[in-house]
Amino acid sequence: AQSVTQLDSHVSVSEGTPVLLRCNYSSSYSPSLFWYVQHPNKGLQLLLKYTSAATLVKGINGFEAEFKKSETSFHLTKPSAHMSDAAEYFCVVREDTGNQFYFGTGTSLTVIP
Amino acid sequence: NAGVTQTPKFQVLKTGQSMTLQCAQDMNHNSMYWYRQDPGMGLRLIYYSASEGTTDKGEVPNGYNVSRLNKREFSLRLESAAPSQTSVYFCASIERAYLYDGYTFGSGTRLTVV
Repeated sequence: AQSVTQLDSHVSVSEGTPVLLRCNYSSSYSPSLFWYVQHPNKGLQLLLKYTSAATLVKGINGFEAEFKKSETSFHLTKPSAHMSDAAEYFCVVREDTGNQFYFGTGTSLTVIP
Repeated sequence: NAGVTQTPKFQVLKTGQSMTLQCAQDMNHNSMYWYRQDPGMGLRLIYYSASEGTTDKGEVPNGYNVSRLNKREFSLRLESAAPSQTSVYFCASIERAYLYDGYTFGSGTRLTVV
């Protein structure tokens, strides 16, 4: 069975410092993994996705994530936080058959000026 | 702009009332989904339609029904609303799930049941 654990419900960083949002997954087979961002009162937007082509995945707005099979992790990083990065971030795993996606509980990122 | 359109954006219902949430996509996607979002619980799948003419239950289907009216439209119905259904509802679509594309989400419907 698939599941996703986001290890931090809230993360605060200062503007210009690195961002690390942690995600661990459980999947029977080689998973498809995604990160989404949700700004306040908005829908969810795809940041990046892992589909086995490369372990380091680059996304929009300077974000990237590294797939580590040995650690069953897919952590999201950004070298330098910007005020506009303040949002809710969701890690998502796709079911093996492809019909369902499972969401983590989300990590709220605060960026301090 | 192409995308997923949800209506209404906000709704207040009394316990026991019924309503239908509408969702339409103009990207010719095959699969459509309804999620609810509650604080601290992420998004949970209510129902999905892998292709036109099919619907399947997700994680939390009780109290809901769906209709895949055509390829573009996928509606969610609450027959007798309960306070536990107070939530933000998101519709999403994808061309085909096994192609690894991410969802396109609508902007959500904020529903309050009093």
